[in-house]
Parts: sequence; C-alpha cells; structure tokens
Amino acid sequence: EAGVAQSPRYKIIEKRQSVAFWCNPISGHATLYWYQQILGQGPKLLIQFQNNGVVDDSQLPKDRFSAERLKGVDSTLKIQPAKLEDSAVYLCASSRGQGSNEQFFGPGTRLTVL
Amino acid sequence: SQQGEEDPQALSIQEGENATMNCSYKTSINNLQWYRQNSGRGLVHLILIRSNEREKHSGRLRVTLDTSKKSSSLLITASRAADTASYFCATVGRGSSNTGKLIFGQGTTLQVKP
Repeated sequence: EAGVAQSPRYKIIEKRQSVAFWCNPISGHATLYWYQQILGQGPKLLIQFQNNGVVDDSQLPKDRFSAERLKGVDSTLKIQPAKLEDSAVYLCASSRGQGSNEQFFGPGTRLTVL
Repeated sequence: SQQGEEDPQALSIQEGENATMNCSYKTSINNLQWYRQNSGRGLVHLILIRSNEREKHSGRLRVTLDTSKKSSSLLITASRAADTASYFCATVGRGSSNTGKLIFGQGTTLQVKP
C-alpha cells in the first residue's frame, strides 16, 4: 500500500510570510496527525483529526497555525505569519482509527524561517 | 512538555555489538512504542509493548517495560550499519487510550560503525 505523502519536502520562507503544507494519508485511514519536530527533539503533536473532526488541538498555536481536513482525507496545515521558532520538520501521520496501535509517518516537510 | 527522557542521548558502537537504549516516562501509560528515524526519512514503528507486558521480541529487537520504575529499554542485538538512526520511545497515556495520542521522548542517536 502507498505510504503517507507530504509536500513540499522543503520550504524556505522569510519571517511573517505564510506557508502551507499538504498531507495525503494512507487510503482508508480515519485518523490523521500533524507533528512538529524541532531539531534534536522528538515530535510534538499539533493536531489530531478523526475523519474531518478535530480530536485534539491542545498544542496547536491557534493564533498562527490552522489545519483542516475537508472530506476526511487530505489535510493542510498553515502557518500565518511564520516566526523564526517555527523552523522545524512538520510530520504527518495516519492510523486506521483512534486508539490504533501504530501510526504511519510521512517523510515530513522541512521548514526554514529566515 | 514531552513525556519521556531517553538515555543515552548518543551511542556509538561497532557492527555486531549490541545496543541498549533506555526510556523513562512520567505518567501511567496504556502502551509504550519505539520508533526509528533515519536521516532524511520519516519515523517507522518498530514495536509496541502494553502496560501489562514485561518483555517483547521482534527479530533482533527486545523491549522491556518496568511500570513500577516507569521505564523501558530497547535492545538491538548483532547491530548492523543500517541500524544507524535515531530511536524514539513514545507513550500512550492511560487517559489517552481512546485517542492513541503519542508523546515522544527526546530520542537516542545510534551510530553503528562498519
């Protein structure tokens, strides 16, 4: 089966600009996650979707970050405006359902904010 | 804040040797998982151990869990150069068993020299 797809793989922007990341989960996976991984750290969950509903967005900086999963399949994560500290790898993952044991991760988008 | 702390932060061994990584966590868990991250690639699920299990094997991997000490260890036997990667433990808290929310540790960077 095809894995989790993400684009772009790399993005460089100036601070205060906007950026959007796209994720296509594994077909049939109801749960989708966005993680932020700062260099040298483990991933931190930003938001979790179950189909097109938000399950957990407690660590999403809502003043600048937004995410949607229209139709319960693809998802986009947006940052507006970006700050220097947003430089990180943004990972998308999916799983068959909530509470499922294994999450499948995409290759990530490496964001550099100058 | 992240749940787990991993020890050591970095480990360098010769091919054929065993590698042991440790993970400590803070709150009661439903399960603990280990993931591997190669340079430039996404995270890959390695193994899951539930809170009522003490030891689990998968190929050259052996995981132990001590819930009284809130700690786990990952042993990789007969290491290979291809095992060079960062290894992360991640926990699903007892209160998050329905959502499967993962909280990652900081990771251990393993280098296996040929």
